[in-house]
Amino acid sequence: DAGITQSPRHKVTETGTPVTLRCHQTENHRYMYWYRQDPGHGLRLIHYSYGVKDTDKGEVSDGYSVSRSKTEDFLLTLESATSSQTSVYFCAISVARDLYEQYFGPGTRLTVT
Amino acid sequence: AQTVTQSQPEMSVQEAETVTLSCTYDTSENNYYLFWYKQPPSRQMILVIRQEAYKQQNATENRFSVNFQKAAKSFSLKISDSQLGDTAMYFCAFAGAQKLVFGQGTRLTINP
Repeated sequence: DAGITQSPRHKVTETGTPVTLRCHQTENHRYMYWYRQDPGHGLRLIHYSYGVKDTDKGEVSDGYSVSRSKTEDFLLTLESATSSQTSVYFCAISVARDLYEQYFGPGTRLTVT
Repeated sequence: AQTVTQSQPEMSVQEAETVTLSCTYDTSENNYYLFWYKQPPSRQMILVIRQEAYKQQNATENRFSVNFQKAAKSFSLKISDSQLGDTAMYFCAFAGAQKLVFGQGTRLTINP
């Protein structure tokens, strides 16, 4: 258990509204990631962070922004949600001893109507 | 860019049987890691096994083992003595430069 929590766990929102998902970790891991999971695509990287205020884009970053003002929190924001952003969102961390190995939070199911 | 392909969308076996899930990948890197993750109905992603590309010996974790063929860029997962609790989605993943690239997943069902 890497001490990762995500909130909310489920959310339904309307098209055009802003949405923020939160990932919280308790063990001061430096690297954090946001993925989305869709049928037929596995998990795809949205954004990642390698430290406070240090973030970079993944392969499906359009329509998403992130922020990391504290080591323990990594926020994912959909500025104006669209139906194509209906998905399950996972947060992950890399442990310092091995940056290649990632551990995942429980996921957030987001539905945009 | 790296790609990971799992060619078996679904598989089904009887309890206690052995099953092998296939994974191929494409990369120009020489040093990398490969993983298998399990996702049961609870949706939690669970790391099953890992393989370092520089190691020739295949990784083993209890009933789970891999067949790593670096030249063929193949990384299959073998589950021996399958159990009902092995029912899940299984994802193969390639790791390079602290990023994971996932395959599309294989839905494995273990029947009693």
